Amino acid sequence: SQKIEQNSEALNIQEGKTATLTCNYTNYSPAYLQWYRQDPGRGPVFLLLIRENEKEKRKERLKVTFDTTLKQSLFHITASQPADSATYLCSRSSGGSYIPTFGRGTSLIVHP
Amino acid sequence: DGGITQSPKYLFRKEGQNVTLSCEQNLNHDAMYWYRQDPGQGLRLIYYSQIVNDFQKGDIAEGYSVSREKKESFPLTVTSAQKNPTAFYLCASSMILTDTQYFGPGTRLTVL
Repeated sequence: SQKIEQNSEALNIQEGKTATLTCNYTNYSPAYLQWYRQDPGRGPVFLLLIRENEKEKRKERLKVTFDTTLKQSLFHITASQPADSATYLCSRSSGGSYIPTFGRGTSLIVHP
Repeated sequence: DGGITQSPKYLFRKEGQNVTLSCEQNLNHDAMYWYRQDPGQGLRLIYYSQIVNDFQKGDIAEGYSVSREKKESFPLTVTSAQKNPTAFYLCASSMILTDTQYFGPGTRLTVL
C-alpha cells in the first residue's frame, strides 16, 4: 500500500529560526507531493505542490524539496513566526485513479 | 466567493439516530470527498465521488452513506450502525480525482 509517514512528535522552535518538517513515503515514487496547513478545529488549507521531476519549490517563506532517492520530502518555513504554529499535513498522489493519501501531520509550535 | 461549505459546524446526536451532514461547493469541481479525523489521527477517507450519481467507498465506509444527485452537493449520513461516530468530519473537493483538494471548515459531531 502507499504510505505517508510524518513525525508524530511536535516540533518546537524559536521565532526567527527555520522550521523543517519531514514527509517519508514508501513503495514507488508518487507523481507529486502536496503540503497542507491545518489549524485546530478547521479544514486543511493547501500550501504547495511539488512534482516528481522537481527538486525544489518555493513560495514566499516556504520551501519544499523532493528527494526520490531518500523517498522523502522536506518542508521548510524560514524566519518562522508564532502565527506559523499549526499542524502540517503531507499528501502523496500517484495520478491515474488513485486518491491522494494523507499523512497524520506534524504539529509545529513557534515560540516567541 | 467560490468555496466549499459544510453545515452545521457542531452537531449533537443521540445514540440510535441517523444524522446528515451537508457539503456544498461552488468551485465547479467534479470530485468530492468525505474524511473523518479523530484527535491525533490523520484523515481517513469515508467516501468519494468523481461524478454525479456515482460514488465509491473509502477506507472506513461502514456505518455511513452518501448521495451525489447534484455536482455541487455531497451529503453524508451517519447511520446508527456507525459504532463510534463522535469525530470531526471534513468534506473536500477537487477538479479531478488526483488534484489538489479544497476543504470545507468541518463539522464536529458528538454522540450524547
